[in-house]
Amino acid sequence: DIVMTQSPFSLAVTPGEPASISCKSSQSLLRSNGRNYLAWYLQKPGQSPQLLIYVGSNRASGVPDRFSGSGAGTDFTLKISRVEAEDAGVYYCLQGQQTPFTFGQGTKLEIK
Amino acid sequence: EEQLVESGGGLVQPGGSLRLSCVASGFTFSNYWMHWVRQGPGQGLVWVSHIQRDGSFTDYADSVKGRFTISRDNAKSTLYLQMNSLRVEDSAIYYCVRDLWGREDHWGQGTLVTVSS
Repeated sequence: DIVMTQSPFSLAVTPGEPASISCKSSQSLLRSNGRNYLAWYLQKPGQSPQLLIYVGSNRASGVPDRFSGSGAGTDFTLKISRVEAEDAGVYYCLQGQQTPFTFGQGTKLEIK
Repeated sequence: EEQLVESGGGLVQPGGSLRLSCVASGFTFSNYWMHWVRQGPGQGLVWVSHIQRDGSFTDYADSVKGRFTISRDNAKSTLYLQMNSLRVEDSAIYYCVRDLWGREDHWGQGTLVTVSS
């Protein structure tokens, strides 16, 4: 199975400041079509997860442009350019390269 | 509005069975792979199973293989998860998900399964 490792475990950010979350996979998520099968989700308290980024760097519909995804192969990063209060919650990465699809352990973002 | 509505969760004793359902509306259900993902109390997300558009291919996490069966009825726009030989560690919120990790990824609100004596 592909192991997904996120860091940090948690972070506290002041509104307006940037935030960055790392996700590393134990195997490459790059397919022959040139796409990295890595997605990012945000789960707000009491809600279902919502997709932020798919295939490594594509923002999902309706996601603010302050969210961006980058990386390739085994190293990926989610960046929030200017954190807002509504961004609080737990962020997960997910690999879609092979089954069983596996999630990172989650990164809790708190707003100062 | 596109919706996925799960049902069928509840309290069951170890060794018992439950069948979860997920009714889709607002989109063409038969066009999508469908998935079940679960989340234990205070825990992270775990992929459980998926099924191809026409139901001809399925796959499972090792932890549920041989005990859970995913199926779908495209005429009813409904996804199912038959869960047998339930264990305490199967207790979780079960989410129905369309197009997991894809551009049209969409989650239901989840249904809670509690396995306890």
